[in-house]
Amino acid sequence: EDQVTQSPEALRLQEGESSSLNCSYTVSGLRGLFWYRQDPGKGPEFLFTLYSAGEEKEKERLKATLTKKESFLHITAPKPEDSATYLCAVPEGGGGADGLTFGKGTHLIIQP
Amino acid sequence: DSGVTQTPKHLITATGQRVTLRCSPRSGDLSVYWYQQSLDQGLQFLIQYYNGEERAKGNILERFSAQQFPDLHSELNLSSLELGDSALYFCASSVFGGELFFGEGSRLTVL
Repeated sequence: EDQVTQSPEALRLQEGESSSLNCSYTVSGLRGLFWYRQDPGKGPEFLFTLYSAGEEKEKERLKATLTKKESFLHITAPKPEDSATYLCAVPEGGGGADGLTFGKGTHLIIQP
Repeated sequence: DSGVTQTPKHLITATGQRVTLRCSPRSGDLSVYWYQQSLDQGLQFLIQYYNGEERAKGNILERFSAQQFPDLHSELNLSSLELGDSALYFCASSVFGGELFFGEGSRLTVL
């Protein structure tokens, strides 16, 4: 069973058109919800960590929020350079691992 | 720049061959993680090492193995390569859990 589900799979926006990306998770006892940005052919770049429902974090045009079931990445007045795949992740469940389980990502394209 | 260094950046080889991918973690990070990313799959966790010891295994094939050396660098060995092993292989590091910092990846092409 998938622990992390992201939607939509792809999103095309016009420059300046705000929107939100969704990340739903099914783990219990959440030990953090992580957002990353990945450019084509590059490694994921860390953006945010959220730990508790109601928490919000911002960076430039991005704001991440967390509820008990999902997280949203809000993009306000995006620019073409915001085009990337956005990944969310939760800590691995069980087995003693402390790595991350990733969703499949939302591929975001911002058109000029 | 995340501070995680991976070599080689690109590798082209033939089926049945063996390759080694190398990773140097960020200074001070004790944990190293290996992930595989192919076109139709997301980031798949392979294996984790902490301070030289294997800590967790994910969906790693028996043909693949890894180790972490005393200087904390890590190597991922892929043997008896198949076409389906073509992918981006990422190394990440952390102090202990929490945020992972990824390298730029090694792109493996198996012909």
